[in-house]
Amino acid sequence: QSALTQPASVSGSPGQSITISCTGTSGDIGAYNYVSWYQQHPGKVPKLIIHGVTNRPSGASNRFSGAKSGNTAFLIISGLQAEDEADYYCNSYTGRTYVFGTGTKVTVL
Amino acid sequence: QVQLVQSGAEVKTPGASVTVSCKASGHTFAGYYIHWVRQAPGQGLEWVGWVKANSGETTYAQRFQGRVTMTRDTSFSTTYLELTSLTSDDTAVYYCVREDRGMFDPWGQGTLVTVSS
Repeated sequence: QSALTQPASVSGSPGQSITISCTGTSGDIGAYNYVSWYQQHPGKVPKLIIHGVTNRPSGASNRFSGAKSGNTAFLIISGLQAEDEADYYCNSYTGRTYVFGTGTKVTVL
Repeated sequence: QVQLVQSGAEVKTPGASVTVSCKASGHTFAGYYIHWVRQAPGQGLEWVGWVKANSGETTYAQRFQGRVTMTRDTSFSTTYLELTSLTSDDTAVYYCVREDRGMFDPWGQGTLVTVSS
């Protein structure tokens, strides 16, 4: 199972919106709605920010939203803030197994 | 609240084996899947496998087949990850994490495994 493909880096200015893509196949993202996203600050434990493609867990900022089209999932961060500077990973169910994305470093300019 | 507490850092020589533990508290241990995820220094997250807490059923990522074993002890609400034939490529932080309907949450604090001669 190959890792899901994410852009290595995305940047934006404070207040802007950015979108991170996560491309898989018809056997993972395209087949199931079990897509989740994780935020990881340096030296910290990953934190769940989106699950089930579009759902936000309690405690996650409402500036995070998710979507999916075909074999690609998206994480949208609106109203970018300095605290959003971190690494972001997508994850998908693949049928008994799971796979993470390659990770995206978000830089706030 | 739900919490996963992992065992401490390990240093191993190439060819050795390592076992990392993950103790759950604050929830019904038997009802969930516990996954193991690792992160090599400066690298991304890599899914290793899962163990179903009530039955002990397991599924592993193909690249670890034959080298990894995940077990659980329901009496102590603890799961274990054993990885054998270690190489320097296995140097990483290993996380346990509870999974429910595709949600990985909460995560353990992580255990650094260093493989060095």
